Amino acid sequence: KAGVTQTPRYLIKTRGQQVTLSCSPISGHRSVSWYQQTPGQGLQFLFEYFSETQRNKGNFPGRFSGRQFSNSRSEMNVSTLELGDSALYLCASRRDRGHNEQFFGPGTRLTVL
Amino acid sequence: AQSVTQPDIHITVSEGASLELRCNYSYGATPYLFWYVQSPGQGLQLLLKYFSGDTLVQGIKGFEAEFKRSQSSFNLRKPSVHWSDAAEYFCAVGPGARAGSYQLTFGKGTKLSVIP
Repeated sequence: KAGVTQTPRYLIKTRGQQVTLSCSPISGHRSVSWYQQTPGQGLQFLFEYFSETQRNKGNFPGRFSGRQFSNSRSEMNVSTLELGDSALYLCASRRDRGHNEQFFGPGTRLTVL
Repeated sequence: AQSVTQPDIHITVSEGASLELRCNYSYGATPYLFWYVQSPGQGLQLLLKYFSGDTLVQGIKGFEAEFKRSQSSFNLRKPSVHWSDAAEYFCAVGPGARAGSYQLTFGKGTKLSVIP
């Protein structure tokens, strides 16, 4: 069974631009979560989607948004990029309620210049 | 609010030596605890998890962890470290499987270096 896949793996953007990151969960997994990882703040929860609905959101500004499609694939979008948005963005999937384990993808490394 | 503390930012051990990585948590309900490992440029791989029952849990790659409720700790151990274990290790706490929403709270991580 294929793992969580994320595209692209690397991105370079400039301040003010927007970016869309994609995540394909493990087949059969309906919950997708996004995390931001930076050297200073560590791993921080962005949001969780389940059945195309955002179920939970972390403490990030409204520039960070996401969505989930009917096939459970998810995208996250960051608008008006800032230098501080440079980070590794990790996607994780979970089957659904009754299953605690989250499986992580390799991440997308975003660099904002 | 939940929190996870990993007191050691960086640990260096010799290959073949034993290892213990510390993790303390604060959580309002029954904690579900995890250890993940991250190699450079990679995502997180689940090493082991604790939900309930036996407080000593076995994971992959020869790792084990012990849950101590009285100390709010979930320390990771390995009897003999291999050079390939060099990586960053994260402890995390999460809600029960039936929770309406799900997020993990991570510690800051402990970077492990292994001397050949």
